Amino acid sequence: QKEVEQDPGPLSVPEGAIVSLNCTYSNSAFQYFMWYRQYSRKGPELLMYTYSSGNKEDGRFTAQVDKSSKYISLFIRDSQPSDSATYLCAMSGGGADGLTFGKGTHLIIQP
Amino acid sequence: EPEVTQTPSHQVTQMGQEVILRCVPISNHLYFYWYRQILGQKVEFLVSFYNNEISEKSEIFDDQFSVERPDGSNFTLKIRSTKLEDSAMYFCASSTPTGGRYEQYFGPGTRLTVT
Repeated sequence: QKEVEQDPGPLSVPEGAIVSLNCTYSNSAFQYFMWYRQYSRKGPELLMYTYSSGNKEDGRFTAQVDKSSKYISLFIRDSQPSDSATYLCAMSGGGADGLTFGKGTHLIIQP
Repeated sequence: EPEVTQTPSHQVTQMGQEVILRCVPISNHLYFYWYRQILGQKVEFLVSFYNNEISEKSEIFDDQFSVERPDGSNFTLKIRSTKLEDSAMYFCASSTPTGGRYEQYFGPGTRLTVT
């Protein structure tokens, strides 16, 4: 079983819709959870950083972590065409550890 | 805003040659990382570096790879004898503990093409 599973998409939604992106993982040692946005042939850009279970909100973005289900989510409200990108989940067991990434979900916001 | 920089943006090399990829991490950061992303695949961790030594490495980081911090600003990844399968985007990242958080910030990457 792969450590981090993420549906690659593409996921296509109309502008203004709420987007839900998800990852599941198998390693119960993961404690730190991140979401990155990556445009084509560019470096990952950190969007959200959470520790352990719970919710975190930052502007139009909300990250949720459910450690009991080994499931993390990223919600994007009022989606814009500029949100079109690949969204990567990433996680680690220790704060300074190397990250384990999902494969990324390709998101398309239709104007 | 401080950012991680990487040079070159694109490197073409022949199989068997040595390459050095360069990174300048964010200036006050203490932890440095290399990742790679083969086209169409996930970002994979290679190695982390702290206090002038390797703190963690993955199975990918074998004897053909080495890292160095030759001065106070640069962080390098050397691939001794490149293979076709080393063709990938290589990303450098850096972090520092801030309130218990170790947010990793990535550079724009170096695209390595091995022919």
